[in-house]
Amino acid sequence: EVQLLESGGGLVQPGGSLRLSCAASGFTFSNYAVSWVRQAPGKGLEWVSIISDDGGTTYYADSVKGRFTFSRDNSKNTLYLQMNSLRADDTAVYYCARGGSGIPDTRKFDYWGQGTLVTVSS
Amino acid sequence: ETVVTQSPATLSVSPGERATLSCRASQSVSSNLAWYHQKPGQAPRLLIYGASTRAAGIPARFSGSGSGTEFTLTISSLQSEDFAVYYCQQYNDWPLTFGGGTKVEIK
Repeated sequence: EVQLLESGGGLVQPGGSLRLSCAASGFTFSNYAVSWVRQAPGKGLEWVSIISDDGGTTYYADSVKGRFTFSRDNSKNTLYLQMNSLRADDTAVYYCARGGSGIPDTRKFDYWGQGTLVTVSS
Repeated sequence: ETVVTQSPATLSVSPGERATLSCRASQSVSSNLAWYHQKPGQAPRLLIYGASTRAAGIPARFSGSGSGTEFTLTISSLQSEDFAVYYCQQYNDWPLTFGGGTKVEIK
């Protein structure tokens, strides 16, 4: 069974940093791209970032570019989202979501974690 | 950026009735469009990809159509578990973008 388990969310002050993790199981982790998608309270979905299966390629939404860094450790089946210079509008539930197989299906999301809440507030 | 617009924002439907949801892209996304639904407190779930291919385990009452800029999700006979928010997502180009969602509620 494919599972994605996010952790690391919490309350942080504006300008602060936080690192989210996503632990994957139930599939060959190194074969799949993964994205982070966030959802502000009561709002819709916003794609944040994607990392390729080997970690060599990443893309970011303009809203987080230069502040967030997405990485992965294929030996640990774990992904990391380092979030710096956090702002109030980064407050959201952050989901990790597995892509499909092949281009462009790596960019649609066939499995999702349950999410972790990040709150940026003083 | 490809802007994705969904309509209507809210759709009131009786159980057993047909529901038709629309999704429009600001430029062609070919068939690189997916649909998801999300129930309160849960993560989204993939329903349709490639504009018309049902994801694994998705019932046949869900169908998708369209290409280019105009897409439709049809639920042929709404069941109680189908009342949720539905999102479409284009994955043709960067950044990946979602529509604002359609809430399907009980009439």
